[in-house]
Amino acid sequence: GQQVMQIPQYQHVQEGEDFTTYCNSSTTLSNIQWYKQRPGGHPVFLIQLVKSGEVKKQKRLTFQFGEAKKNSSLHITATQTTDVGTYFCAGLSGGYQKVTFGTGTKLQVIP
Amino acid sequence: DGGITQSPKYLFRKEGQNVTLSCEQNLNHDAMYWYRQDPGQGLRLIYYSQIVNDFQKGDIAEGYSVSREKKESFPLTVTSAQKNPTAFYLCASQWSNQPQHFGDGTRLSIL
Repeated sequence: GQQVMQIPQYQHVQEGEDFTTYCNSSTTLSNIQWYKQRPGGHPVFLIQLVKSGEVKKQKRLTFQFGEAKKNSSLHITATQTTDVGTYFCAGLSGGYQKVTFGTGTKLQVIP
Repeated sequence: DGGITQSPKYLFRKEGQNVTLSCEQNLNHDAMYWYRQDPGQGLRLIYYSQIVNDFQKGDIAEGYSVSREKKESFPLTVTSAQKNPTAFYLCASQWSNQPQHFGDGTRLSIL
C-alpha cells in the first residue's frame, strides 16, 4: 500500500533558526496536504498543493510540491515558540480516496 | 473544529469490556475516518467510510468495529479483542479531496 514518510522525526531548533521537514511518498500523489498538531490538540489543516512543482507561502511558512508529485517540503523561516508542534503531510492518490498521513515531524523551539 | 464532535473526551475501559466512541459531524461530508495516535507517534488509520452503509478497514482495524447508519454519525467500538487500546482516538470528516476536519479526540485508558 501507499506509504508516506517524513524526515526528520524530531527537530530541536533555537528560536530564530530555520526549520525544514521533508515528505516522501512511495506512489505518485494527486495532491498533498499539510497539517499542524499542537501538543494535546488535533491536527489542523495548513495548506494543500495540487500542481507539480507548486510553491505556496503563508507568512514564514513555504510549502513545495515536487516535480514528480512524490515529495513535498515545509520550510519555516525564523522559527518562533508558537511554531511548536508536530507537522504532518498527507498524500491523496486518485480521486475520492483515503488520505495517507505521513509519520510527522515534531518541532521543538528553544527560546 | 466546530463541525465535528467527539465524545467523551476521556474514557476508561475495564478488562474484557467493549467501549464505543462517538463521532458526529454537521458538515454534510460524505467521508469519515477514525485514526489512532499513540504518544509521540503519527496517525494510523483504523476505519474509513466514504458513504452511508459502507466502510473499509484501514491499516489497524483488528479489535475495532464501526457502523455508518447515518451520514452524520460514525461511531467506533473498541472491543475486548483490542489488547492495547490505550491511545488518543481522532475522528475526521472530509468532502471530496478537500482537507480533513478533525474532532477534538477521545483519550482512552485502561483501568
